[in-house]
Amino acid sequence: AQRVTQPEKLLSVFKGAPVELKCNYSYSGSPELFWYVQYSRQRLQLLLRHISRESIKGFTADLNKGETSFHLKKPFAQEEDSAMYYCALSTPRGGTYKYIFGTGTRLKVLA
Amino acid sequence: NAGVTQTPKFRVLKTGQSMTLLCAQDMNHEYMYWYRQDPGMGLRLIHYSVGEGTTAKGEVPDGYNVSRLKKQNFLLGLESAAPSQTSVYFCASSPLGRIQYFGPGTRLTVT
Repeated sequence: AQRVTQPEKLLSVFKGAPVELKCNYSYSGSPELFWYVQYSRQRLQLLLRHISRESIKGFTADLNKGETSFHLKKPFAQEEDSAMYYCALSTPRGGTYKYIFGTGTRLKVLA
Repeated sequence: NAGVTQTPKFRVLKTGQSMTLLCAQDMNHEYMYWYRQDPGMGLRLIHYSVGEGTTAKGEVPDGYNVSRLKKQNFLLGLESAAPSQTSVYFCASSPLGRIQYFGPGTRLTVT
C-alpha cells in the first residue's frame, strides 16, 4: 500500500542551524513527491516538487529511491520558516492520480 | 484570479444539524478535493472529483456527501453533524491531479 511517513511531529531548531525534515514513502512504481507548507492560520501551499529540482526559500529536497526518502533540507533556518510542513505522494491510478499526505511536521525556529 | 475560495470561514453546529460547505475555483481545474485536518492526523481525504458530475470516496467519507454539478464548485454536505466532525476542512483543486491549490479552510465546531 502507498504510504507517506513523517516521523517527527515537532522539530525545534535554533535560528541559523541546519534543518532536515524527514519524509519516507512506500510505493513500488515511480513516485512524484511534493512538500507543502502551511504558515500559521494560512492555507497550504506548494513548496517543492521533486521533478523541479529547484531551491525555494533556501529549501531543497532530493528524491532517494534507494532509501525511499524525500527529506527537506535547509542549511540555515530562519524564524519565518516556522510552519507546518507536509510531504505528499502522487501516484497514477486508473487514469487519475492518487494523492497521499503525511501527518506533517511542525517546525519551530527559535531565536 | 481568486483561486480557491471556501464558504463559510467558521461555523458552529449543534449535534444533528446539517450544513453545506462550498468550495469554488476559478482556474478551470478538473480535479477537486475535500480534506479534513486534525491535530496529529495530518490531512485526510474525504471525497474527491475528477471532473464535473463525478465524485469518489476518499479515506474518511462516512458522514459526508459531495456534489459537483458545476466544474467550478464542489460542495461538501454534513447531513447530521457529530462532535467527531469538529475539524478544519480544506478544499483543493488541481489541473491534472498533481500540484494541488488549497482554499483558506473552514473551521467547524460541532457541540
